Amino acid sequence: GIQVEQSPPDLILQEGANSTLRCNFSDSVNNLQWFHQNPWGQLINLFYIPSGTKQNGRLSATTVATERYSLLYISSSQTTDSGVYFCAGGGSNYKLTFGKGTLLTVNP
Amino acid sequence: DAGVTQSPTHLIKTRGQHVTLRCSPISGHKSVSWYQQVLGQGPQFIFQYYEKEERGRGNFPDRFSARQFPNYSSELNVNALLLGDSALYLCASSVRQGPYEQYFGPGTRLTVT
Repeated sequence: GIQVEQSPPDLILQEGANSTLRCNFSDSVNNLQWFHQNPWGQLINLFYIPSGTKQNGRLSATTVATERYSLLYISSSQTTDSGVYFCAGGGSNYKLTFGKGTLLTVNP
Repeated sequence: DAGVTQSPTHLIKTRGQHVTLRCSPISGHKSVSWYQQVLGQGPQFIFQYYEKEERGRGNFPDRFSARQFPNYSSELNVNALLLGDSALYLCASSVRQGPYEQYFGPGTRLTVT
């Protein structure tokens, strides 16, 4: 099955800083999603991005499907951005395979 | 529109007992998937159901089973609970089977003592 590797595993920032999270996958994917998991465990959809670039406010994401990676950019980070960020990839089948996540801490 | 809902929110069970977790998908979504997330790890796929049929199964023992009802809601059942079954159980729905965007519920946190 697909393997998903996320980096870095941990990231500490000062408020206002920018960051880039990376997701590598071992095989072609037809589905690539980025999530933010809040402290209560809810997975919040950030992007559905099997290819191309999308932006939503201070967040943007780029997936280069031919090179099997995706990047999540967070600009002007805020303390509320803290939490775990997951990427998950799916092939032509039915399931999402998650990475181990990046724990982001934004300090005031 | 209401999102994916799950019940109960929290649950405490004893080893050897049985548990049933419930999920209602977003209105109009016909596919429901279940995931298990243990502390410090990403969610792991358990099942996907579409049109009341099992369409995929992850690497979980037969103690885990599920079903989907005509209204597309779903139940996850776990028999003979083990301490290692303690986890956050997440339900996700999507419009249909396959590589479509999945939306997750708030989860059920199961503790086995």
